[in-house]
Amino acid sequence: QKEVEQNSGPLSVPEGAIASLNCTYSDRGSQSFFWYRQYSGKSPELIMSIYSNGDKEDGRFTAQLNKASQYVSLLIRDSQPSDSATYLCAALSSGSARQLTFGSGTQLTVLP
Amino acid sequence: DAGITQSPRYKITETGRQVTLMCHQTWSHSYMFWYRQDLGHGLRLIYYSAAADITDKGEVPDGYVVSRSKTENFPLTLESATRSQTSVYFCASTELAGGPSRVDEQFFGPGTRLTVL
Repeated sequence: QKEVEQNSGPLSVPEGAIASLNCTYSDRGSQSFFWYRQYSGKSPELIMSIYSNGDKEDGRFTAQLNKASQYVSLLIRDSQPSDSATYLCAALSSGSARQLTFGSGTQLTVLP
Repeated sequence: DAGITQSPRYKITETGRQVTLMCHQTWSHSYMFWYRQDLGHGLRLIYYSAAADITDKGEVPDGYVVSRSKTENFPLTLESATRSQTSVYFCASTELAGGPSRVDEQFFGPGTRLTVL
């Protein structure tokens, strides 16, 4: 069974610090990876997607992908209390269907 | 309004009853998905559909039935609800690669919180 594992959390960081969220995946054929943010009681929203090895930056967010190690990470710089949420890592299946496999999520709390 | 909607938002039912959760999207996305979210399990795929009249099982399909007679609607039916089906259900949609929306980004509905007593 294809799996996506995330560091268990919960994770607490002070305001202004860097939050580091990690994810590993088992399907070597996966080519596309996503980070979703989910506030309590709300639906997931996409914040980053990454398809190639290396780093991808978008504002305060940086996604990192290492396909050889089957590892994906998300760095949040200058963390804000509004970043407090659960972060879900997802991998797109290697088959023809647009199936995402999600990790169980890491709960992040940014302390003022 | 454009987007993806789910109804009802909250539902309480009893064991053994049939329940249908509705999902409607206005983007004409080809792909639609149903997930359930339980504490400690993240989002798990129940069923998905690549187009009207094309559906397939996901990771946890047992006890659920889907149909897709129109592109914009993707109802999920619990034929005989069980307590283990108490969960939050999310519908999502996405376009095929190369379509007008961001490739492979899945857009989620607001969710339906279902309680089976």
